[in-house]
Parts: sequence; structure tokens; C-alpha cells
Amino acid sequence: GAGVSQSPSNKVTEKGKDVELRCDPISGHTALYWYRQSLGQGLEFLIYFQGNSAPDKSGLPSDRFSAERTGGSVSTLTIQRTQQEDSAVYLCASSNTGKTEAFFGQGTRLTVV
Amino acid sequence: GENVEQHPSTLSVQEGDSAVIKCTYSDSASNYFPWYKQELGKGPQLIIDIRSNVGEKKDQRIAVTLNKTAKHFSLHITETQPEDSAVYFCAASIRVSNTGKLIFGQGTTLQVKP
Repeated sequence: GAGVSQSPSNKVTEKGKDVELRCDPISGHTALYWYRQSLGQGLEFLIYFQGNSAPDKSGLPSDRFSAERTGGSVSTLTIQRTQQEDSAVYLCASSNTGKTEAFFGQGTRLTVV
Repeated sequence: GENVEQHPSTLSVQEGDSAVIKCTYSDSASNYFPWYKQELGKGPQLIIDIRSNVGEKKDQRIAVTLNKTAKHFSLHITETQPEDSAVYFCAASIRVSNTGKLIFGQGTTLQVKP
């Protein structure tokens, strides 16, 4: 596609429920990143994919967070048993192999009530 | 690990004035430094970047300078316009692992008053 696409744009969920956030990267980009942006804060790295593998998961805050990528394209970030502190904007970015310029999607605003 | 500090957290200027945002980083292995602009409700947009083999880069009203010795880099916006109002983030990339993972500063909210 022309840009990084994320869905849904907004998600309100009840505490304890599971949620899935989707990212569709720029066509041909093999590197994919998930970041989290809490209110008024900077971007916090969560996980990096190269193709379908995730060589760097160091930013995932707990085992309730997981992500997968299939076909070297779409990625899904799953948060199990959501907590109020999970409320944030979740941003996805992609870049070409061998390049560092990362292009971001518009984000998914997650609100846990 | 890498840490990026960004100042100021808020900046208010009159239209036509210049704005400067400064960042420092801790990991001397970092060699890629992008700047992103984020407007309300949107994702960050890359506006300019610099690599460690260059000391300065310009793109119209925007420029970035890098001092590797001091481990700091700055964004300069000249002739500011109201549409420059946004949150600006600096970042540093740790190239040792070659993942392209970015470590971000905390952001600067720039307000340009007409």
C-alpha cells in the first residue's frame, strides 16, 4: 500500500479482555516495528520484525503482550487480559532492509476501561 | 542501553522567528538521528534525518546539526509558520545490532503564534 495502515484506529475495551491490533506495512518493507506512546510521552519500542521473525522483543512490557507477523507483511499485536495501564496509542512503523528510514502508521488508540 | 534526552519540553515562538530543539544521546555507537513531527491524532512523520558522517543537513526551512564528540544534535526551524505547530521528536538508532530500532526523546511541543 501507499503507507502504513493500522486498524482499528480506536479501540475501547474492558479490563481483562484480550485485544488484537493490526498493522499493514508499506509494500516491500521487510522490517516492521511496534511502539507504544502513552499520554504526553515519547515513543517506547516494543518489538522488531525482520520478515516473519522477531529478533528483538526486548520492549514487550510483560508476557501479556505478544506479536506475530505472517507472510512477511501484516503484523498483529495481541494484549491479553488488558489492564488500565495498557491504555496508550500503539504505533507501527516499517522500513526497507538496509535502510533506516522508518515510516509510521496513524496508530491505534487503545482505552481500557 | 541508549538514552535520548530532549529539551525543551515546550516551546512557544512568534511566527517568523526561529525555533531550536536539542537532544543528547548516550550510546556512541548510534549513527542515525531522525526527527519526526507529530500532529494531533496522527502518526509521527519523518521530516529530516542525519547520519554520523555528516555534521549538518538542510532542507528548506529545516536544518539539523550533529556534534558526535558531545553526543548532541539539534533541529533548527527558521521562519516559523503556524502550521509548524506540532510535537517534535528526536531519535537515535543503535546500529550495532543493525535492527534500525529507534530510541526516542520525550518530545517538544512547539507552538507558533500568528
